[in-house]
Amino acid sequence: SQTIHQWPATLVQPVGSPLSLECTVEGTSNPNLYWYRQAAGRGLQLLFYSIGIDQISSEVPQNLSASRPQDRQFILSSKKLLLSDSGFYLCASPGQSNYGYTFGSGTRLTVV
Amino acid sequence: QQQVKQSPQSLIVQKGGISIINCAYENTAFDYFPWYQQFPGKGPALLIAIRPDVSEKKEGRFTISFNKSAKQFSLHIMDSQPGDSATYFCAADGGATNKLIFGTGTLLAVQP
Repeated sequence: SQTIHQWPATLVQPVGSPLSLECTVEGTSNPNLYWYRQAAGRGLQLLFYSIGIDQISSEVPQNLSASRPQDRQFILSSKKLLLSDSGFYLCASPGQSNYGYTFGSGTRLTVV
Repeated sequence: QQQVKQSPQSLIVQKGGISIINCAYENTAFDYFPWYQQFPGKGPALLIAIRPDVSEKKEGRFTISFNKSAKQFSLHIMDSQPGDSATYFCAADGGATNKLIFGTGTLLAVQP
């Protein structure tokens, strides 16, 4: 079975600072990978998905970008954070089954 | 057409009661309907899932009822327990990229 690692668990960053959140997947090869954001008390918004190395699709125009430099690594970045970027960021993957996402433990980002 | 509508937004149930959460979708291409359970500060975890070729799936105290003609599905939690208190998300999936579309979530509180 696959395991998704995310770090850091919590992060407090000032407005205008850069961001890099990392997600790595174990136990599967060439998985589809997804970044979701969950605002406080809200649902899950799909931000980016990737079907392979350097293959990234953006779902929502925003201040963020994503990269996939390796098969099992998915990175979420920003050059200059906004207050509205605060939220709970989750990495997910369906693994080999292609169904039934497994989620990482998430990163709680607070932009101050 | 990509939306999944979920209700209610919040739900309070007495211990031992039945919790019912409803979801509706529009896209008939969806072919996989999972439910996720999320505790505070954690990533969502797959609870139970159903495909449209069956009308009901039961796993322990959790049951999904699926109405293909109405494009609706629901989660029933029998004998609800305080430990079931969490946020529940329905979702729908279909298509080559396997993008899960989530409902807006239901915050369930089971009172002892």
